[in-house]
Formats: sequence, structure tokens, C-alpha cells
Amino acid sequence: EPEVTQTPSHQVTQMGQEVILRCVPISNHLYFYWYRQILGQKVEFLVSFYNNEISEKSEIFDDQFSVERPDGSNFTLKIRSTKLEDSAMYFCASRDAGQGIYEQYFGPGTRLTVT
Amino acid sequence: AQSVAQPEDQVNVAEGNPLTVKCTYSVSGNPYLFWYVQYPNRGLQFLLKYITGDNLVKGSYGFEAEFNKSQTSFHLKKPSALVSDSALYFCAVRDPYSGNTPLVFGKGTRLSVIA
Repeated sequence: EPEVTQTPSHQVTQMGQEVILRCVPISNHLYFYWYRQILGQKVEFLVSFYNNEISEKSEIFDDQFSVERPDGSNFTLKIRSTKLEDSAMYFCASRDAGQGIYEQYFGPGTRLTVT
Repeated sequence: AQSVAQPEDQVNVAEGNPLTVKCTYSVSGNPYLFWYVQYPNRGLQFLLKYITGDNLVKGSYGFEAEFNKSQTSFHLKKPSALVSDSALYFCAVRDPYSGNTPLVFGKGTRLSVIA
């Protein structure tokens, strides 16, 4: 069964550094998302992406964040200058565009630790 | 704005007994509702959804959920719990009127099935 994959599984970085989190969505999916989950808290939406542009973004997704689909298979989340409060589990998700399909499929996550 | 409430942080049930994990929602119009499960060190796995039609929906691993419009609830149920069902369960809602609207998650309920 096709899966969403994410790399790396764990990233440790120093405050102020740039990080890129990578995701490979399910191949025929057209909608892409990033969510994050701070330890012990709920899963929060960051950004959605369709047709090579951002569809919607949350308040969390400020100018420090950007997304890109560089090559038709990868979907990346870049944090330009990490802060301590960016430490979280980051989940990528994708969704098919078929009629009646609304569920999103999530990757295993990247645990980002900012020190 | 849509929201989801999961009133229980923890549910404990004996193996073989029925289980219920509660969820209530707030959304304008008819909701799209979902349940996801998260096992340790894993991503969110889709269990089931309610979009329209029968109020009782069946999903993966023997789980089902009942949509109750008058009570604005979407409780997750299973007739006979297994130890392997122990995990973190998330209810989520989506605005049905926008094509790429993100999921809004509850804070999660930890289910512990005791042998």
C-alpha cells in the first residue's frame, strides 16, 4: 500500500539555523499539507498546497516558513531561522483529488529539536 | 470556525470489553468528520470518516463511529477491545465547503486496553 514518507526521522539543529524537512507524498495525490504537533499538544495545521501554490496557511506559518515542490515528487518545508519553540513533530500529509475522497494520509513525521 | 472536543484525556478498558472514545464537534453546516489513530513513534493513520449517508460508519481494525447530528457527536466505538488497540486517538473535522480546507484536530484521547 502506498505511503507518505518523510526524511529525516529526527533532526537536531541550533537556534537560528535553517532546516529543510522533506516529504514524498503518495504518487497520484494532488493536495499536500504540513502539520505540527508540539509534545503533549494537539496536531496543528501549518499550510496546504495545491497546483504549485499555497492554498491556505495558519497563523503559525509566518515568514520564517516556506514550502516547495521542487521536482514533482518531493514536498519540502523550510524553516529559515529556527527558534526554540519550533521544536515539534512535523507531519506531512497528502490527499487524492478524486470525487468523494476527503481523508488525508500522513507520513511518520520528523521530530525537530531546536537547541 | 470549526472545532472538535475530546473530553477524555485517557480511557481505560479491559480487553474484550466494548470501548467508546468520545468526540463532539462545532461547525457551520454539515461536517466532514474523521478519526485517526497514532501509535508510538508513528504518524497518524486514517481509521474512518463520515461525509454523508448512514450515521453509523465502519472503518479499519473493527472500529466504527456514530454520527449524531442532534448531539453534535461522532463517538468512536469497538465492540471488543484488543490490547493492540492501545494508542492515541484523534477526532478531526473539516469544513465541507472549501476544496483544500485543512483538518482541525481534537487534543487526542489515549486509549489503554488492559489484558
